[in-house]
Amino acid sequence: GESVGLHLPTLSVQEGDNSIINCAYSNSASDYFIWYKQESGKGPQFIIDIRSNMDKRQGQRVTVLLNKTVKHLSLQIAATQPGDSAVYFCAENVGTYKYIFGTGTRLKVLA
Amino acid sequence: GAVVSQHPSRVICKSGTSVKIECRSLDFQATTMFWYRQFPKQSLMLMATSNEGSKATYEQGVEKDKFLINHASLTLSTLTVTSAHPEDSSFYICSAKWSGRGLAGGTSTDTQYFGPGTRLTVL
Repeated sequence: GESVGLHLPTLSVQEGDNSIINCAYSNSASDYFIWYKQESGKGPQFIIDIRSNMDKRQGQRVTVLLNKTVKHLSLQIAATQPGDSAVYFCAENVGTYKYIFGTGTRLKVLA
Repeated sequence: GAVVSQHPSRVICKSGTSVKIECRSLDFQATTMFWYRQFPKQSLMLMATSNEGSKATYEQGVEKDKFLINHASLTLSTLTVTSAHPEDSSFYICSAKWSGRGLAGGTSTDTQYFGPGTRLTVL
């Protein structure tokens, strides 16, 4: 069942600095991973993805790193901006195209 | 590209009534859509997988008779919350997976594209 009153882990970053958001995934057989950004009251927005045969993928200002040995995923945001403030979720594709979402991290960008 | 819409964005209803939420893929065809619910400050929880032309697959603990899903076309899935109660109040989000054919779609058939969500409040 769901818990009430959970608080998301929060990462506070100064504007212009780099942000690193981490995620531990559960299934060693997962072959596809995605990072989503969710702003308050909105649906998740695709940021970047990576397949299990890669360990790094870069996008515009974002980089995803995958460490399969320890089942760890990270999202790096360069030169963090106020518009980056949101909750970030990682998701793993566990087969049959089903995703399992991580618990989420709130990113606060300080001016 | 890969835009998913939901309607309505917000709905308030009385206890005991039914509410239908629509999910549409606007610029791509989706043989598979997913329905999630999200409680405040929590992650997304998958409720069911909706397949075009066949019955939905529900996750453990989700009542299929309460949450009716219909995927009538390659661009539309609906979720009906029947006999809604206050505990059904939540943020309902759908996602769609590009089928790999038809309208211009995403770059991967594995990627799910999410709708903006529907806030359901049951009084």
